[in-house]
Amino acid sequence: DTAVSQTPKYLVTQMGNDKSIKCEQNLGHDTMYWYKQDSKKFLKIMFSYNNKELIINETVPNRFSPKSPDKAHLNLHINSLELGDSAVYFCASSQDMRREGANVLTFGAGSRLTVL
Amino acid sequence: GESVGLHLPTLSVQEGDNSIINCAYSNSASDYFIWYKQESGKGPQFIIDIRSNMDKRQGQRVTVLLNKTVKHLSLQIAATQPGDSAVYFCAETLLSGTYKYIFGTGTRLKVLA
Repeated sequence: DTAVSQTPKYLVTQMGNDKSIKCEQNLGHDTMYWYKQDSKKFLKIMFSYNNKELIINETVPNRFSPKSPDKAHLNLHINSLELGDSAVYFCASSQDMRREGANVLTFGAGSRLTVL
Repeated sequence: GESVGLHLPTLSVQEGDNSIINCAYSNSASDYFIWYKQESGKGPQFIIDIRSNMDKRQGQRVTVLLNKTVKHLSLQIAATQPGDSAVYFCAETLLSGTYKYIFGTGTRLKVLA
């Protein structure tokens, strides 16, 4: 069973469109994240949710809207897509960072978004 | 050899040799560090971690060294194998509820047969 699963794996779309990427984790983790990886492989955090509550919003344009219907799911909706949004988006999860002990991030396989 | 610049730094090593991948972390207050391995088309995978109260930790064929004085982390891979070819990232965080891991720029390891 895949621990952190994202869909779709590939997404090709036109500028100006709206698209969503879905993420689900079956690890029982409390915290979920979205990271963006650019063409130089740089990984940057976008959002973090803990038990459905937004914890981190890293000055991401408000065209990006995360939604967490429950603690096992964190979806990413992107409005009015731009060329610069082309990247690989990774979902990840971890135990609650406030818990005692270290909390390793477990990543999904990534969703490659190409905006034409 | 190692190359840096606009492209992802690359380290090329002969199969069977030891590899050393370096990382400079950004926050002197960070107290927990992880090395991740990312193979082509996959998400980053956990390799080994270390807390700031340690300066060395060993796993299977891997060793992480932490030098807090100069904010430096290294990953040593013994007897490098073709399956070790990947991009390696260090990540840092503060274990007090910041919910944020900061990733380094990554190093591509190429294992030569």
